[in-house]
Amino acid sequence: AQTVTQSQPEMSVQEAETVTLSCTYDTSESDYYLFWYKQPPSRQMILVIRQEAYKQQNATENRFSVNFQKAAKSFSLKISDSQLGDAAMYFCAYRSVSLADDYKLSFGAGTTVTVRA
Amino acid sequence: ETGVTQTPRHLVMGMTNKKSLKCEQHLGHNAMYWYKQSAKKPLELMFVYNFKEQTENNSVPSRFSPECPNSSHLFLHLHTLQPEDSALYLCASSQGGGAGTDTQYFGPGTRLTVL
Repeated sequence: AQTVTQSQPEMSVQEAETVTLSCTYDTSESDYYLFWYKQPPSRQMILVIRQEAYKQQNATENRFSVNFQKAAKSFSLKISDSQLGDAAMYFCAYRSVSLADDYKLSFGAGTTVTVRA
Repeated sequence: ETGVTQTPRHLVMGMTNKKSLKCEQHLGHNAMYWYKQSAKKPLELMFVYNFKEQTENNSVPSRFSPECPNSSHLFLHLHTLQPEDSALYLCASSQGGGAGTDTQYFGPGTRLTVL
């Protein structure tokens, strides 16, 4: 399974400010999918954003955007105009498209985001 | 989003008990998954079912037994668990079938405590 690394266990951001979460991954594949999931205190895992590796354009979803650097195997998440409801644990995940590894998501250890009012 | 539901939300059981976790998806998906989430550890994939067929058993101990009677329901039968099995158990579903855009959607989880 691919290794996904989130090097920041915790991040804190002031309300209305911007925070960037880092994620790196290890793979020899050229095509794959990357995801950011959010897990608030309610424990419901919610999809935030998805990036397809063959697309050079960075995905954007409202206040959430990614910086996908394929050569560097980096997939960071930027949360703009942070809101109190953004407080959660954020997980980066990798999905292969190979038949042998199909359906499997490899998750990072997560980054806890705290939003200060 | 209530596309994937799990019951019970909380479960406390002794090591000699037998219990079952239930997952139901209302999204018309064909693939379902069980994950284990322990504190300070990445999510661990346990089982994958695709079109009701088990396609993955990620070296899970036999005290965990999955069952997938149809594409909408997934069970995890538990027996003679150990305290280290205490964790949040998450169910997920996706379209399956090898679709390139396959995205997993998660249920709220069952918080399991083994005494």
